[in-house]
Amino acid sequence: QQQVKQSPQSLIVQKGGISIINCAYENTAFDYFPWYQQFPGKGPALLIAIRPDVSEKKEGRFTISFNKSAKQFSLHIMDSQPGDSATYFCAAGGGGGNKLTFGTGTQLKVEL
Amino acid sequence: NAGVTQTPKFQVLKTGQSMTLQCAQDMNHNSMYWYRQDPGMGLRLIYYSASEGTTDKGEVPNGYNVSRLNKREFSLRLESAAPSQTSVYFCASRRGTSGWSSYEQYFGPGTRLTVT
Repeated sequence: QQQVKQSPQSLIVQKGGISIINCAYENTAFDYFPWYQQFPGKGPALLIAIRPDVSEKKEGRFTISFNKSAKQFSLHIMDSQPGDSATYFCAAGGGGGNKLTFGTGTQLKVEL
Repeated sequence: NAGVTQTPKFQVLKTGQSMTLQCAQDMNHNSMYWYRQDPGMGLRLIYYSASEGTTDKGEVPNGYNVSRLNKREFSLRLESAAPSQTSVYFCASRRGTSGWSSYEQYFGPGTRLTVT
């Protein structure tokens, strides 16, 4: 049973554009919503995370928007750069538990 | 401080062979995890160890066994490899003490396994 649904599966954005990746979750006990970035041949690394008591968190060009009532959250990458080309995973967890449930990933390509 | 290390980086097995994937972390983390990554499937949890001395099944445990050797090391064993186990395997660790930031997981570089 997939508890975190992620879309789109792949995304092509022009340099300088905005990349948007969406995720939806089911378990209302989750209280930790991270995004991981993975470059080819590497392991995923934490990019940014949000807790459900805030609606938005920004770190540099990366912003998470969170909608608790809709059980959805999204990653926005402003001024997208070719170096942002990677696979992005959303995840959900916390609530006192030990595990993260990951989305299926979005392969982002930023073209010049 | 190497973080999470995994060996080997690459492995090719024949169907029915066995092997053990090794993982170690030097961050004094309590919890450790094994995931597999397949195209279009994301990261799926195989087994995890919330603390030294405990292990639990994840989403896809069939065909695998694990050992939490000590606080630093967590190994994944394939007793009789099958082509369906061709995947990229990631080990991760997590501090696991109180606090919201303790949920962050740190990943190793992965092991690329092919079973023919």
